[in-house]
Amino acid sequence: DQQVKQNSPSLSVQEGRISILNCDYTNSMFDYFLWYKKYPAEGPTFLISISSIKDKNEDGRFTVFLNKSAKHLSLHIVPSQPGDSAVYFCAASGVTGNQFYFGTGTSLTVIP
Amino acid sequence: DTGVSQDPRHKITKRGQNVTFRCDPISEHNRLYWYRQTLGQGPEFLTYFQNEAQLEKSRLLSDRFSAERPKGSFSTLEIQRTEQGDSAMYLCASSPASGSAYNEQFFGPGTRLTVL
Repeated sequence: DQQVKQNSPSLSVQEGRISILNCDYTNSMFDYFLWYKKYPAEGPTFLISISSIKDKNEDGRFTVFLNKSAKHLSLHIVPSQPGDSAVYFCAASGVTGNQFYFGTGTSLTVIP
Repeated sequence: DTGVSQDPRHKITKRGQNVTFRCDPISEHNRLYWYRQTLGQGPEFLTYFQNEAQLEKSRLLSDRFSAERPKGSFSTLEIQRTEQGDSAMYLCASSPASGSAYNEQFFGPGTRLTVL
């Protein structure tokens, strides 16, 4: 069963505009949520995270929003840059952080 | 320390053979994870070590898979009697025991396994 879902396999955005990547989860026990970026032939790279006690976390051009009642989180990238083109995975874990569940990824293309 | 390393980067084997992969985590990280990733999917959790103790193991991990971390440093993942369905990218990640990066996993480049 897929506990973390990314329903959009791909997204194209013009350079300078906002990119919004979405993620849904089913397990209400998830306590921590993360976004990773992955380039071809490399392992995923941590981007930004949010604890379940918060509803927003911002780091430079990247902001993650968490809506616990809807079991939904989103990643906003503003402004989008061509170097942001990659596959983005959301992930979630419980309190212990002993096991992480990943979504299937969204491939973002930023068009110059 | 330049990050998590994995060896080999690529492995081609015939069905029925055994293979072993190695992961060297970031030196001060005591938490280590193994994942498997197939095309079009996200990383799928396989197992978790805290120091040398294997604390979590996915129920999807068949008994042909075994992982070790004997001294709490590097880890090995062995697959016995490989099957074509084992073809995937095997990823290792590590994270520190505490601090702000506690839940941030640092991934290696992965080992791509092809079973013929």
